[in-house]
Amino acid sequence: SQQGEEDPQALSIQEGENATMNCSYKTSINNLQWYRQNSGRGLVHLILIRSNEREKHSGRLRVTLDTSKKSSSLLITASRAADTASYFCATPARDFQKLVFGTGTRLLVSP
Amino acid sequence: SQTIHQWPATLVQPVGSPLSLECTVEGTSNPNLYWYRQAAGRGLQLLFYSVGIGQISSEVPQNLSASRPQDRQFILSSKKLLLSDSGFYLCAWSVGMGGITEAFFGQGTRLTVV
Repeated sequence: SQQGEEDPQALSIQEGENATMNCSYKTSINNLQWYRQNSGRGLVHLILIRSNEREKHSGRLRVTLDTSKKSSSLLITASRAADTASYFCATPARDFQKLVFGTGTRLLVSP
Repeated sequence: SQTIHQWPATLVQPVGSPLSLECTVEGTSNPNLYWYRQAAGRGLQLLFYSVGIGQISSEVPQNLSASRPQDRQFILSSKKLLLSDSGFYLCAWSVGMGGITEAFFGQGTRLTVV
């Protein structure tokens, strides 16, 4: 299976702390994407990092990519209660027409 | 702007009954369309995807089928539901050319088979 794996499966932190989630994948990729899912809702695209990039920032989000280790991390700085959600990494399949999602990290940010 | 509509939001169906979930996209042409299923607390499993009208690729053999009767309409069906078909079903679309760089999701359908 090409499915990625996120770790940790669940993360519980206090507001103001940083949250780091990791993703590993199995095949060569041209990009890796991170999505957020609020409970019982659809997924929302957060950020994309290309295979020739090592780090990318968007607001309080920082994504890193290590293609040699087939891994990526998502850092949310100064977390807020509203960041409580599940976070998934996704990579294009070989035909580049579909996305394969990881298993997700459930983040709980307590006030 | 592009929008995706998926309905119904929740559905409770008896075992053995048929299923039809519909998804439509507005504001774009020739999108790639996807059906995913998510078990409780789990990741997303790709069920079907389509790169054009009448073109359906099945990822997982099972009790479901998909159809794309129009460019921006994607339907997930079953003739007879099983208990194991319960889950959260998500429709999504992406731009059809150049490789997938972002998927846009509907709000999902919570299906409970009883």
